[in-house]
Amino acid sequence: AQSVAQPEDQVNVAEGNPLTVKCTYSVSGNPYLFWYVQYPNRGLQFLLKYITGDNLVKGSYGFEAEFNKSQTSFHLKKPSALVSDSALYFCAVRQGGNNRLAFGKGNQVVVIP
Amino acid sequence: DAGVIQSPRHEVTEMGQEVTLRCKPISGHDYLFWYRQTMMRGLELLIYFNNNVPIDDSGMPEDRFSAKMPNASFSTLKIQPSEPRDSAVYFCASTTRQGVNTGELFFGEGSRLTVL
Repeated sequence: AQSVAQPEDQVNVAEGNPLTVKCTYSVSGNPYLFWYVQYPNRGLQFLLKYITGDNLVKGSYGFEAEFNKSQTSFHLKKPSALVSDSALYFCAVRQGGNNRLAFGKGNQVVVIP
Repeated sequence: DAGVIQSPRHEVTEMGQEVTLRCKPISGHDYLFWYRQTMMRGLELLIYFNNNVPIDDSGMPEDRFSAKMPNASFSTLKIQPSEPRDSAVYFCASTTRQGVNTGELFFGEGSRLTVL
């Protein structure tokens, strides 16, 4: 079964510094990988996806993610974090041909002014 | 577009009571998903529908949980009887066939359930 792991519970970063949120995946076959963000008391919002093509994908709000097949990773990055980026970030994976998305447990990102 | 609409936003009930959560998907979306979010278990898929038909209910915890989608614009998740361990935030999400392929689900704001 497909799964993702987000090893850190919380990521603290100073405003203006680079932000990285880590994700590793486990799936047989080609993975379809996604990042979602959840602001307090809100539903999840789609940020970006990797299905095929360039390993570096760009998404909403200046976020990007890098697919690394050898390391089975799909880390989320932002060059310069904003206080408004403070939220819960979820990595998700879908195995090709399967309609189910498996979400990680989420990473709380705190951007310190 | 109004987005996915869930009700109630908050529900506090006592153990043993019946709970009904409601969801109105985005018009034109033919896939609907019910998720449960807890601190311990994260985000779990309970069930999903395609064209109002339940496709995969393997995530439904037990017989106390049931979900229906009588038409394309309405779905319910029912818990009867409720237990304290059912306390969680329940999310409904909808999307299209293309959205399933690209992983882009549209989530409602969730229903926070507390069972005392």
